[in-house]
Amino acid sequence: QSVLTQPPSVSGAPGQRVTISCTGSSSNIGAGYDVHWYQQLPGTAPKLLIYGNTNRPSGVPDRFSGSKSGTSASLAISGLQAEDEADYYCQSYDSSLSGSVFGGGTKLTVL
Amino acid sequence: EVQLVESGGGLVQPGGSLRLSCAASGFTFSSYWMSWVRQAPGKGLEWVANIKQDGSEKYYVDSVKGRFTISRDNAKNSLYLQMNSLRVEDTAVYYCARERRQQRGNWFDPWGQGTLVTVSS
Repeated sequence: QSVLTQPPSVSGAPGQRVTISCTGSSSNIGAGYDVHWYQQLPGTAPKLLIYGNTNRPSGVPDRFSGSKSGTSASLAISGLQAEDEADYYCQSYDSSLSGSVFGGGTKLTVL
Repeated sequence: EVQLVESGGGLVQPGGSLRLSCAASGFTFSSYWMSWVRQAPGKGLEWVANIKQDGSEKYYVDSVKGRFTISRDNAKNSLYLQMNSLRVEDTAVYYCARERRQQRGNWFDPWGQGTLVTVSS
């Protein structure tokens, strides 16, 4: 299983708000390492969505927001749109593994 | 435009070898750490290896240590992954990604389109 834990799936109706959690441990998120989020649309490469816990790259809508507390982080998506249907992954650094680690991914379904 | 283009994937038998390449353009390649990340069919993302700007530091996920070697040629703006002793479980799409680094960790942006490696007899 993945070092970072995410729910396998979440869903919401258009216009609603959903959150995706990412739980780590004392060697990664809890050690103070930043959390980053990626969106992977079907059949495409991952795309950076949030970096440094809360920062959006240019071009990413402000409907997407990130937060971090303790050994966990969250991605929130407000005003859900059909095009948000994708897989979402969190990522951090793990000091005991000396490398980057990902969550298992969360499939977002827009009802 | 920043672009990463992978090549070299294909079908290989267990125990075989393959060399992946990633051609970078649109940025100063020699200024960035670079990584390989893979995704098995229907599965999540797994970081595989990364390399410092001058090639002096390299790190690997435990499952590929001793079998895979990451390298780069800054003169050719290219990143490589030499994969030996391939196993069925190495079957995946392999992505090349540029690393952005700060004191509290690193992230990947952008990613290439990926190249599929299939290990099967």
